[in-house]
Amino acid sequence: DIVMTQTPLSLSVTPGQPASISCKSSESLLHTDGKTYLHWYLQRPGQPPQLLIYEVSSRFSGVPDRFNGSGSGTDFTLRISRVEAEDFGVYYCMQGVHLKTFGQGTRVEI
Amino acid sequence: EVQLVESGGGSVQPGGSLKLSCVASGFSFSDYWMTWVRQIPGKGLEWVANLNQDESQKDYVDSVKGRFTISRDNAKNSVFLQMHNLRAEDTAVYYCVRDVLFGRFDPWGQGTLVTVSS
Repeated sequence: DIVMTQTPLSLSVTPGQPASISCKSSESLLHTDGKTYLHWYLQRPGQPPQLLIYEVSSRFSGVPDRFNGSGSGTDFTLRISRVEAEDFGVYYCMQGVHLKTFGQGTRVEI
Repeated sequence: EVQLVESGGGSVQPGGSLKLSCVASGFSFSDYWMTWVRQIPGKGLEWVANLNQDESQKDYVDSVKGRFTISRDNAKNSVFLQMHNLRAEDTAVYYCVRDVLFGRFDPWGQGTLVTVSS
């Protein structure tokens, strides 16, 4: 089974400052179709998760351009250029190449 | 509006059974894989099961194999999760999710809470 490891598990950020979350997989997430199925989700308190970034770097509809995903193979990063109040919550990476596996989550707080 | 609404959660004793339902609206349900994801309160997300459009492929996380069964009724735009031999560690909020493509999950339902306790 593919294991997803996020770091850090907790991140304190001042609004207006950048933030970065790392996600590493135990196997390459490059599919035979040439795409890499690594996605990022944000869960705000009391709400279900929502899709932020799909296939490493594509922003989902309505997601602000301050969110950027990058990486390849087994190493991936989510960067927020300037954190805003609405960005606080728990971020999860997830692989979709072999079954599905989530990372442990990274709590971003003030 | 694309929407998923779960129902069927509740409290059950260890060893008991429960069937979750999820009704979809706002999209062509029969065109998509569907998935159940769970979250122990205060903890992280765990993928539980998924199935393809015609039920010819079903996958489960190891911890529920042989106990949970995922199914769907395309005529009723519904997906189900039949849970048997429930354990305390199955206590969680269960989310119904549309899988757009290889784990691109959108939307998510609001979730239904399952509590397994004596």
